[in-house]
Amino acid sequence: SQKIEQNSEALNIQEGKTATLTCNYTNYSPAYLQWYRQDPGRGPVFLLLIRENEKEKRKERLKVTFDTTLKQSLFHITASQPADSATYLCALDMRRGAQKLVFGQGTRLTINP
Amino acid sequence: DAGVIQSPRHEVTEMGQEVTLRCKPISGHDYLFWYRQTMMRGLELLIYFNNNVPIDDSGMPEDRFSAKMPNASFSTLKIQPSEPRDSAVYFCASSLAGGLNQPQHFGDGTRLSIL
Repeated sequence: SQKIEQNSEALNIQEGKTATLTCNYTNYSPAYLQWYRQDPGRGPVFLLLIRENEKEKRKERLKVTFDTTLKQSLFHITASQPADSATYLCALDMRRGAQKLVFGQGTRLTINP
Repeated sequence: DAGVIQSPRHEVTEMGQEVTLRCKPISGHDYLFWYRQTMMRGLELLIYFNNNVPIDDSGMPEDRFSAKMPNASFSTLKIQPSEPRDSAVYFCASSLAGGLNQPQHFGDGTRLSIL
């Protein structure tokens, strides 16, 4: 079955810098890869989706890349702000064609003022 | 528009008691998912429904767990009897049809503590 690894459990970044989070997966390449944000005591909130034939996707200060050769997705937050502090989860299909997502453990990002 | 609504937000009960968690998905969404989140195991899918029909319950840990979706606007997850290891945050999520091309919309969860 699909396994996901997200880099370090916690990441501390200085305000204004770019935060880069990594999501690595094993086995087959997913058709889609999604990124979510989760704040304490809340449910995950969808941020971005990238398809297997897309190299990069952007939304405001967010950028996601998808490298099927490396089996890796990178999630970037440019000009980071303290309000960006949260846990970020990547998710992809559990098996090709399935409706089920498997989530990574998440990376807890802290942006220091 | 209202998001996914879960109740209760918190539940504390004694081991052996029946627990029922409730979920109201976003109107018009075809898929409903139940997840469990713990520090050790992260976010795990328990079961999901498509048009009120259970499609895959392979993530349900034991027969003590059951889920129903009697109509498009309501689902329950029941644990009977409950055990301390069931303590976790349980999330419900819904999405439109269209496969994994669609984002999932999560409720704010039920924090369950079994004493």
